Amino acid sequence: NAGVTQTPKFQVLKTGQSMTLQCAQDMNHNSMYWYRQDPGMGLRLIYYSASEGTTDKGEVPNGYNVSRLNKREFSLRLESAAPSQTSVYFCASSALGGDTEAFFGQGTRLTVV
Amino acid sequence: GQQVMQIPQYQHVQEGEDFTTYCNSSTTLSNIQWYKQRPGGHPVFLIQLVKSGEVKKQKRLTFQFGEAKKNSSLHITATQTTDVGTYFCAGPGFGNEKLTFGTGTRLTIIP
Repeated sequence: NAGVTQTPKFQVLKTGQSMTLQCAQDMNHNSMYWYRQDPGMGLRLIYYSASEGTTDKGEVPNGYNVSRLNKREFSLRLESAAPSQTSVYFCASSALGGDTEAFFGQGTRLTVV
Repeated sequence: GQQVMQIPQYQHVQEGEDFTTYCNSSTTLSNIQWYKQRPGGHPVFLIQLVKSGEVKKQKRLTFQFGEAKKNSSLHITATQTTDVGTYFCAGPGFGNEKLTFGTGTRLTIIP
């Protein structure tokens, strides 16, 4: 079982460029999340999707958009990258929101120059 | 909004010493979860506590959920080099739709 798959693993962008981070899970989970991790800041929630067809803002949504394409896939888009978005991004999924354990992807290390 | 804080932020211990990290939520939680992230890795689920005052053990790790269900702790007895990493607590937000993570405690071991 693949679990949660994120692509790409590494990416370097120039300021102002756009890109989409892809995430897919094969566990038939309802809930999916995007977090960013910065040194000393823990894991901060960007957006989440409680179920297919729904998305909602987390703690740090500015500069990002998401799409819950279907039950399996949840993508994160940076429309105009900024150096402040340099971070490690994690996608995660859980069966039933915060009531069940979350499974994480391997992460995407993004650098914006 | 909900806030989940952890202390300490960093902890350096000699191999064989004990280690404890504390987690405090601004709101009552229906459950608390603990995760471990190895350096360069992704968070991995360790355990979930649901009941008020619950205590669970996994080998050298002891997890507690406070009576008011707003705080929790993780205690590691006789640390080993394999315990190195960052430990996060996490709890559900309003409506239990999302998982809010604590700030994490980074544990390093001095051999």
